[in-house]
Amino acid sequence: QVQLQESGPGLVKPSQTLSLTCTVSGGSISSGSYYWSWIRQPAGKGLEWIGRIYTSGSTNYNPSLKSRVTISVDTSKNQFSLKLSSVTAADTAVYYCAREVVVIRTFDYWGQGTLVTVSS
Amino acid sequence: EIVLTQSPATLSLSPGERATLSCRASQSVSSYLAWYQQKPGQAPRLLIYDASNRATGIPARFSGSGSGTDFTLTISSLEPEDFAVYYCQQRSNWSTFGQGTRLEIK
Repeated sequence: QVQLQESGPGLVKPSQTLSLTCTVSGGSISSGSYYWSWIRQPAGKGLEWIGRIYTSGSTNYNPSLKSRVTISVDTSKNQFSLKLSSVTAADTAVYYCAREVVVIRTFDYWGQGTLVTVSS
Repeated sequence: EIVLTQSPATLSLSPGERATLSCRASQSVSSYLAWYQQKPGQAPRLLIYDASNRATGIPARFSGSGSGTDFTLTISSLEPEDFAVYYCQQRSNWSTFGQGTRLEIK
């Protein structure tokens, strides 16, 4: 059974960089059948796709966030990471990592989510 | 950006009733639409992909239909555990989600 687990600081100051890591267990992040994505959800609101990475290291980002987002992968640790720079209160949200099936580009496994609050 | 508009925002029904949820895309997404269920404090769960294909382990009471710009998720007979928020997602362009439909107990 594949499991994903987000980790990282729950509180980030405005203008700083948000950094999260997703650890994948029960399956290899090097599988060519999946992308590895980050998705966020502000409290009481809908879902916003942030971006994805493939095992090769190729990335795609939401155009609205592209200038601030970097997603990277560490296959030796079976992890992938998110960095979001110059954060503001609008970036406060629950951040999910998720596995995205390449052929159908839908998210079949999700982490439990981690709340990141941007506040001084 | 492809915008997905879900209706109604809230749907109030009783167990055993039929639920019909709608998702409309601002431009054609072909059949590249998925549906997710989210319960409070939980991550979303994939229900339907490519408009009408049930994901692994999803009960047969869940069905999806549509193509182009208009899509429907139908729950044939509501069970108590079905009351949740439902989101549609398109993959025609980069992924976007609808704003959600809250299915509540009447």
